[in-house]
Order: sequence, then C-alpha cells, then structure tokens
Amino acid sequence: QQQVKQSPQSLIVQKGGISIINCAYENTAFDYFPWYQQFPGKGPALLIAIRPDVSEKKEGRFTISFNKSAKQFSLHIMDSQPGDSATYFCAASSPGTYKYIFGTGTRLKVLA
Amino acid sequence: NAGVTQTPKFQVLKTGQSMTLQCAQDMNHEYMSWYRQDPGMGLRLIHYSVGAGITDQGEVPNGYNVSRSTTEDFPLRLLSAAPSQTSVYFCASSYRTSGYTDTQYFGPGTRLTVL
Repeated sequence: QQQVKQSPQSLIVQKGGISIINCAYENTAFDYFPWYQQFPGKGPALLIAIRPDVSEKKEGRFTISFNKSAKQFSLHIMDSQPGDSATYFCAASSPGTYKYIFGTGTRLKVLA
Repeated sequence: NAGVTQTPKFQVLKTGQSMTLQCAQDMNHEYMSWYRQDPGMGLRLIHYSVGAGITDQGEVPNGYNVSRSTTEDFPLRLLSAAPSQTSVYFCASSYRTSGYTDTQYFGPGTRLTVL
C-alpha cells in the first residue's frame, strides 16, 4: 500500500524557534508534495507545496526541503509563533491523478 | 464566493440508518473528493470525482456511495451506518493550473457519530 510516513506525532517549540516536521514516502511515482495546516474545528488548508524538480521551496517563514534520493521531504517553520499552533499534514500524489495520500499528522504547539 | 460548503456540521445516527452528507462548491472546480479523518490516521480518501458524471473509489470506499450530477455538488451517501463510520468527514475541491500545481480547498467538515 502506498504510504506517507510522518514524524513526529507531536511537537512543542518555543516562540521564535524552528519547527521541523518530516515525511517519507515509498512510491517513486509521486510528483507533488503539499503540506496542509489545520486548526481545531476547521478543514485543512494548503500551506506550501513542492515538486521533485527542486530541492527547496520557501514561502515566508515556511520552507519545504526535498530529498529525492532519500524519498523524504520536510517542513521547516522559522521563527515559530503561537499562531502557528495547529496540526500539519504532509501529502503526496502521482501524475495524472487527483488522488492524495496523507501523512498521519503532526500536532504543533508553540509556547509563548 | 462561499468556497466549499458542507451540511450538516454535526450528525448522530443509529446503526443501520442511512443518510447523505452534502457538499457544494461555487468555484467551478472539476475535481471533488471526500475524506474521512480519524485520530492518528490522517485523512483517507473515500471517493473522488474528476468531473460531472465521473466518480472513482479512493482508499476506503466500502459503505459509501457517491454521484456527481453537476459540477457544483458531490453528495456522500452512507447506505447502512456502522459505528466504524464514526469520523469527521471533509469534502474538498481543486483545480489544476497550467503548471500542474494542485490547489485543494477543504470544507469545514461534518462530525458524524454512529451509535
């Protein structure tokens, strides 16, 4: 079964620190890797996404690092803020499909 | 634009009952999908549609039916509810840009409890 393994399950970071969430995948056909942010009682919202033709993508304080050979990608949140406290999901999809495989989620808490 | 809307927000069913979760989007997106979210398991794809009249199964389709008669609506039917279907259900819609970047928009979810 195609899987995306996400770690850690939960993460506590001090305000101003760096939050790092990791994902690993098995299917080398995956070509799109989004990260979603979900606040309690809300639906997930797209945060940032990357394709395997680049090794890094940065949008504001959020950066995706992608390692194609290791089949891993990670989300880095720089200068973490209490407002970043949420659950983060990585996902992956294959070309020509709209089917996404999600990781199990990471609950991030940023302490003020 | 209202985006993706889902009704109801909460629902309690008894085992064996049937019901339909409603989903609508006003963004003219071709792709719509249904996920269920369970603690520690992330989001799992139930069914999806790539356009009106076209649907397909996801990871966990058993016990659920879908149809897509219009671009806007994508209802999810539970045929005979079971306690294992207790979950939070999310509908999503998306489009694909010329750069093959998918932007998937999620609804607010329906929290379903089956007793």
